[in-house]
Amino acid sequence: GAVVSQHPSRVICKSGTSVKIECRSLDFQATTMFWYRQFPKKSLMLMATSNEGSKATYEQGVEKDKFLINHASLTLSTLTVTSAHPEDSSFYICSAANTGLAGETQYFGPGTRLLVL
Amino acid sequence: QKEVEQNSGPLSVPEGAIASLNCTYSDRGSQSFFWYRQYSGKSPELIMFIYSNGDKEDGRFTAQLNKASQYVSLLIRDSQPSDSATYLCAVNAGGTSYGKLTFGQGTILTVHP
Repeated sequence: GAVVSQHPSRVICKSGTSVKIECRSLDFQATTMFWYRQFPKKSLMLMATSNEGSKATYEQGVEKDKFLINHASLTLSTLTVTSAHPEDSSFYICSAANTGLAGETQYFGPGTRLLVL
Repeated sequence: QKEVEQNSGPLSVPEGAIASLNCTYSDRGSQSFFWYRQYSGKSPELIMFIYSNGDKEDGRFTAQLNKASQYVSLLIRDSQPSDSATYLCAVNAGGTSYGKLTFGQGTILTVHP
């Protein structure tokens, strides 16, 4: 149980294009999903909290107009990197919160590696 | 001051030994605590969670929580080379945080044959 998928796993795009990443909870419903970014040999950095049916909450310093988040259903959240530039190249990871004994427990997707040329 | 702090390591132990990973947190109201393992180039995977004081065992893994000392640890018994990874301690403040976690910077563990 508690499986989270991400698509695509890897994407290469040209500078200036937009890229959409999907995050799905496969065997549970997730009211809340999270989007992280991780640069090589660095810690996870939370970008935003995605809530089903409402606007995402962005962390300080994350541009909401550049990183568009849509949480259309209890099993799907999408992150769109708009007008991507080489500095946006990173490992993007989503997680979905499942309610259990420890309260809300985050389960991570496998990640999407983005390379912007 | 960091909210969740881990011994950054790297920690190197021989195969078969016990690996001890430590984590302290600053928010006394924190309610649940998680250990994730992250292999190089992969996303984190949940190993264990704990929310009550004391020990919690799952196979070769034991999590220990001491809320009075604001301390949580992970012990790995009979360490294997496949345990070599970065271990992330994460804390959930509870309440209306909706599962938002605060992560430590991670401890790199190397188990050598």
